[in-house]
Amino acid sequence: SQTIHQWPATLVQPVGSPLSLECTVEGTSNPNLYWYRQAAGRGLQLLFYSVGIGQISSEVPQNLSASRPQDRQFILSSKKLLLSDSGFYLCAWVGTEVDEQFFGPGTRLTVL
Amino acid sequence: GQSLEQPSEVTAVEGAIVQINCTYQTSGFYGLSWYQQHDGGAPTFLSYNALDGLEETGRFSSFLSRSDSYGYLLLQELQMKDSASYFCALNTGGFKTIFGAGTRLFVKA
Repeated sequence: SQTIHQWPATLVQPVGSPLSLECTVEGTSNPNLYWYRQAAGRGLQLLFYSVGIGQISSEVPQNLSASRPQDRQFILSSKKLLLSDSGFYLCAWVGTEVDEQFFGPGTRLTVL
Repeated sequence: GQSLEQPSEVTAVEGAIVQINCTYQTSGFYGLSWYQQHDGGAPTFLSYNALDGLEETGRFSSFLSRSDSYGYLLLQELQMKDSASYFCALNTGGFKTIFGAGTRLFVKA
């Protein structure tokens, strides 16, 4: 069966510090991978998606970047965090049968 | 552009039936999905409508009308554990899914 991992689960970072969040998927190959951000009490904002190694599409221009160094690994990064980067970051992959997205457990980021 | 609208909150009584509506604006899409999210957790997939009509999965049903740009999620025999946020989402093609802002469902005893 397929599983998706994210770490860390929670993170508190000062403004201006760097960020690296990692997502890995098991049990599937060549998945479409996604990064979303969710502000408290709000919907999901699509940040990046990737259809293959090294292929990244950005949906929101900001100080975040994403990379996909391996087939089942997706990384979200920032060189300098802003207060507005606080939120719940979710990684997801899409199944092949219907538009069913499988989400990881998420990383709750607080920028102080 | 593309957008979805849902009520921000809905309250219902345990054992009752509740309908969560979703209206959308888009030039084209493949289907409408519904997700459930409990506080502090990740969203989980509930249902998907590619075609007009009703899809039933246990206590949950979802409906889509493309001509009315409208869909809904129907929850029957409500249980306390159904208290959560519910999101409708458009599969717009091109590998992208657009999520609504979510409806917070409160189930009361």
